[in-house]
Amino acid sequence: GAVVSQHPSRVICKSGTSVKIECRSLDFQATTMFWYRQFPKQSLMLMATSNEGSKATYEQGVEKDKFLINHASLTLSTLTVTSAHPEDSSFYICSAFHSMETQYFGPGTRLLVL
Amino acid sequence: SQQGEEDPQALSIQEGENATMNCSYKTSINNLQWYRQNSGRGLVHLILIRSNEREKHSGRLRVTLDTSKKSSSLLITASRAADTASYFCATGNTNAGKSTFGDGTTLTVKP
Repeated sequence: GAVVSQHPSRVICKSGTSVKIECRSLDFQATTMFWYRQFPKQSLMLMATSNEGSKATYEQGVEKDKFLINHASLTLSTLTVTSAHPEDSSFYICSAFHSMETQYFGPGTRLLVL
Repeated sequence: SQQGEEDPQALSIQEGENATMNCSYKTSINNLQWYRQNSGRGLVHLILIRSNEREKHSGRLRVTLDTSKKSSSLLITASRAADTASYFCATGNTNAGKSTFGDGTTLTVKP
């Protein structure tokens, strides 16, 4: 079945540094990927829609200069958390549509900012 | 604001019992999907039901959709300890469009 991977699965960084998270569709092409954020025991909050070859579309309240998204190919989208702070610590999950209806999620990346 | 809202927030049952979770939403949809998430893991797609469908089955899962009431239910029959997880509904409005998630139901199945 369709698989979406994320790398790294877990990252710990110091406050002020930038962290890049990769999202790959392994056996299918995805012109659109989504980035979500999930706090403990809460639901997924959509951060942005990543479009191959064009700028990402950010949800209201999400700082585009803080969360840089690059969708350079049909199988790869990256999310860079710039100048990370402890409040950015969260579980980040990406997703991609294999067909027009079924969305597949990556395993998630747990970010801890010290 | 979140489109889907699940209830109950938490459900604890014994192995072998059935578990029913509900999801309500506010606006028109093209489809509704249910996902499972084990603690600290990514989401697993369970089932998709289109707006013109009323009921769908997949193994031990049964999903209903009532567009007049803007609600859906997920029934897990003969539950197992491995079914312990959080379950989310997500509404979809356009093809390959973004989904919005409810807060989820945390299901605990006791062996």
